[in-house]
Amino acid sequence: GESVGLHLPTLSVQEGDNSIINCAYSNSASDYFIWYKQESGKGPQFIIDIRSNMDKRQGQRVTVLLNKTVKHLSLQIAATQPGDSAVYFCAENTGNQFYFGTGTSLTVIP
Amino acid sequence: SAVISQKPSRDICQRGTSLTIQCQVDSQVTMMFWYRQQPGQSLTLIATANQGSEATYESGFVIDKFPISRPNLTFSTLTVSNMSPEDSSIYLCSARDRTNTGELFFGEGSRLTVL
Repeated sequence: GESVGLHLPTLSVQEGDNSIINCAYSNSASDYFIWYKQESGKGPQFIIDIRSNMDKRQGQRVTVLLNKTVKHLSLQIAATQPGDSAVYFCAENTGNQFYFGTGTSLTVIP
Repeated sequence: SAVISQKPSRDICQRGTSLTIQCQVDSQVTMMFWYRQQPGQSLTLIATANQGSEATYESGFVIDKFPISRPNLTFSTLTVSNMSPEDSSIYLCSARDRTNTGELFFGEGSRLTVL
């Protein structure tokens, strides 16, 4: 289905602090999830993924948590840096298609 | 990972005209998709581009408005027909790896402004 929204939610964090970005997904049958980062004027870039048989996955400075009971994903970014400023989207895989959440605009304050 | 190239990267179009966006992937992929991203919003799936057959459209999108071709495993086009200012968006081509089990890759998008 379509994601509809007038404005992206925003999150501002101080450089060096940890960031937590949340996402609610819609389909309990979704079995694979991806977090994307999108900088201005660019296409979405893969950050980290997680399959539905896991509840946590860690990457470099990023951790994704999956709570299937409440259909919720979170992305944690450790020691947030100015280069992390971007819009972050979660995407859920249902069948062969990926559907995107609303997105969150992250601003890192130096 | 796959590298996806789109053109044009941006264009300014007149109301009532049509524009075709091209998408080239540097390796053979099974699944290709087209998304729309309206200003300040998330990505909305327009359709799945099927090789050698008609695209599969999501609710709210129709072939007459967004005809799609996919003649082979590495190339697809999306046409935005009879454009209006409401069609001003970024149009993104994406592809999934050949195993169809991994991530979705994106091009840089085509930013269309309709006057």
